[in-house]
Amino acid sequence: SSVLTQPPSVSVAPGMTAKITCGGSSIDTEGVHWYQQKPGQAPVMVMYYDSDRPSGIPERFSGSNSGNTATLTISGVDPGDEADYYCQVWDVGQDLPVFGGGTKLTV
Amino acid sequence: QITLKESGPTVVRPTQTLTLTCTFSGFSIDTTGVAVGWIRQPPGKALEWLALIYWDDDKRYIPSLKSRITIAKDTSKNQVVLTLTGVGPVDTGTYFCAHHSFHTSEFDFWGQGTLVTVSS
Repeated sequence: SSVLTQPPSVSVAPGMTAKITCGGSSIDTEGVHWYQQKPGQAPVMVMYYDSDRPSGIPERFSGSNSGNTATLTISGVDPGDEADYYCQVWDVGQDLPVFGGGTKLTV
Repeated sequence: QITLKESGPTVVRPTQTLTLTCTFSGFSIDTTGVAVGWIRQPPGKALEWLALIYWDDDKRYIPSLKSRITIAKDTSKNQVVLTLTGVGPVDTGTYFCAHHSFHTSEFDFWGQGTLVTVSS
């Protein structure tokens, strides 16, 4: 079964690059999806299948997946990017979706 | 344009049954590959997936709640209903429904969520 590990928090200065990781055994064989959740709001998908960006998501957001770690990268971070970020995969063994524990990005 | 909206009680007494409705538009749950899921979030905590129902009425449940949870769809009303029996304080949280694709496994559209408090 998939257990997804995310760092509880990441802090970055405005204009710099933030990298949020999601670890799991054999995660590189599964498509990883990422969600952004601002306080009091519903999650919004910001990346799907590792590195595909939904319509309306800025090009500053990118994703990668290699080895046991998937990474969401946000370039030129601005205060509006401050939020909780969650990764999600489909656990093939249990045949159900799994979310990571979330990472709070502080700008 | 796909939209979803959750509705239901804001307060539920312990041991009672919680019933939540997700009303959606912009897609049909009869369409091959379409699913609707429920995800909840206790205050200050992470997202937790609960249940999924597919276009063909196949269902998936989180193992830890399988004995207490039921998901059903009403195609004519464009609704998906989640039922959770024997609620307790740990079931307090915001409940979201979301559109899910069988083929790609992501939750691409979410409702605004509804806060449910379990309290006597």
